[in-house]
Amino acid sequence: QVQLQESGPGLVKPSGTLSLTCAVSGDSISSSNWWTWVRQPPGKGLEWIGEIYHSGSTKYSTSLKSRVTISVDKSKNQFSLNLSSVTAADTAVYYCARAPYDYVTVYYFDYWGRGTRVTVSS
Amino acid sequence: EIVLTQSPGTLSLSPGERATLSCRASQSVSSDYLAWYQQKPGQAPRLLIYGASRRATGFPDRFSGSGSGTDFTLTISRLEPEDFAVYYCQQYGTSPRTFGQGTKVEIK
Repeated sequence: QVQLQESGPGLVKPSGTLSLTCAVSGDSISSSNWWTWVRQPPGKGLEWIGEIYHSGSTKYSTSLKSRVTISVDKSKNQFSLNLSSVTAADTAVYYCARAPYDYVTVYYFDYWGRGTRVTVSS
Repeated sequence: EIVLTQSPGTLSLSPGERATLSCRASQSVSSDYLAWYQQKPGQAPRLLIYGASRRATGFPDRFSGSGSGTDFTLTISRLEPEDFAVYYCQQYGTSPRTFGQGTKVEIK
């Protein structure tokens, strides 16, 4: 069964960099899927951050593009999120998810991690 | 980017009633690549509907999706206690992917 597990610091200082990792089990990071980050501020809706294919190709949210880097580590079967210059507005639960890909279309999110809460505060 | 507007924001219903949730897109959703997710408090979203009308594994047939182009609907024919949750629509036909703001289905 496919499982995704987020990990990383729960507290990040303003102007710092938020770094999270998503460990994938039950599937290969090199399979035909894109690997995605989504976040949810407290009491609010879902926001797509960006995603990566095992080749290293990435897609990012327009609003976050200047601060986001997503990378993949095939040897560890995991992918990571770095978000720089964080402010309180970046406080959220961060989810990783899988999106199937048929070489034409990147589809819906069929598997999700449980999420990790990150607070930006001094 | 495609903006998805969900209505109503909150739906107050009793168990056994029918729930109708709307998702309207600012432009046509390519190939009806529209998904719905269910999210319960403290849990990750869970894929419910994809391709506008295809039900994901594990959900009963009281859940159905319909629509095309810019107007989509999620219907729950008879609400069960476990169906009270927040529902999000999401389009994946055009980058960037976008979500609606969610509809909360609460117990009346």
